[in-house]
Amino acid sequence: EIVLTQSPATLSLSPGEGATLSCRASQSVSSYLAWYQQRPGQAPRLLIYDASNRATGIPARFSGSGSGTDFTLTISSLEPEDFAVYYCQQRSNWPRTFGQGTKVEIK
Amino acid sequence: EVQLLESGGGLVQPGGSLRLSCAASGFTFSTYPMSWVRQAPGKGLEWVSAISASAYSTYYADSVKGRFTISRDNSKNTLYLQLNGLRDEDTAIYYCARSPPSGGYFEYWGQGTLVTVSS
Repeated sequence: EIVLTQSPATLSLSPGEGATLSCRASQSVSSYLAWYQQRPGQAPRLLIYDASNRATGIPARFSGSGSGTDFTLTISSLEPEDFAVYYCQQRSNWPRTFGQGTKVEIK
Repeated sequence: EVQLLESGGGLVQPGGSLRLSCAASGFTFSTYPMSWVRQAPGKGLEWVSAISASAYSTYYADSVKGRFTISRDNSKNTLYLQLNGLRDEDTAIYYCARSPPSGGYFEYWGQGTLVTVSS
């Protein structure tokens, strides 16, 4: 099973600041990595797939990069609605696995 | 508009069974792989099971293999998850999710149904 480790666990930032979230895989997943956002009480929402492709309707302030074992989600300038938990997920192997999440909270 | 509506959750005793359903609308259900993903209270996301568009292939997390069964009825646009031998650690919100035809990611999600396993 591929283990995905996200860091940091919590990121405390102010609106307007940039955010950088990391996801490291225990073995190469090529570019088969996605990022999701989950707001409190809501279902997750796909943001990025195949490491760097924005999903439909996702604002340009969200971008993804990386390949192999190291990946990054960047939010260029935080909007109030961006304070949420973010998960990475790999589709390289079965079983599909998620990281443990990074919470982006208001400082 | 893609819509996924889960139902069938509830309170069940350890060792009991439940069948979850996910009614799909707004897309050609028979052409998309589908999955179940769960989230224990206050915890992260855990993929549970997936099924191919034709139902030919099914996949399970080790934690549920042999206890849960995924299926679909493409004539009814409905996805199912049969949960048997339930344990306390199966308590979670269960989401159904649609993958793109290439599979792998979860591009649309339902709002989830809560399964509580407790005596």
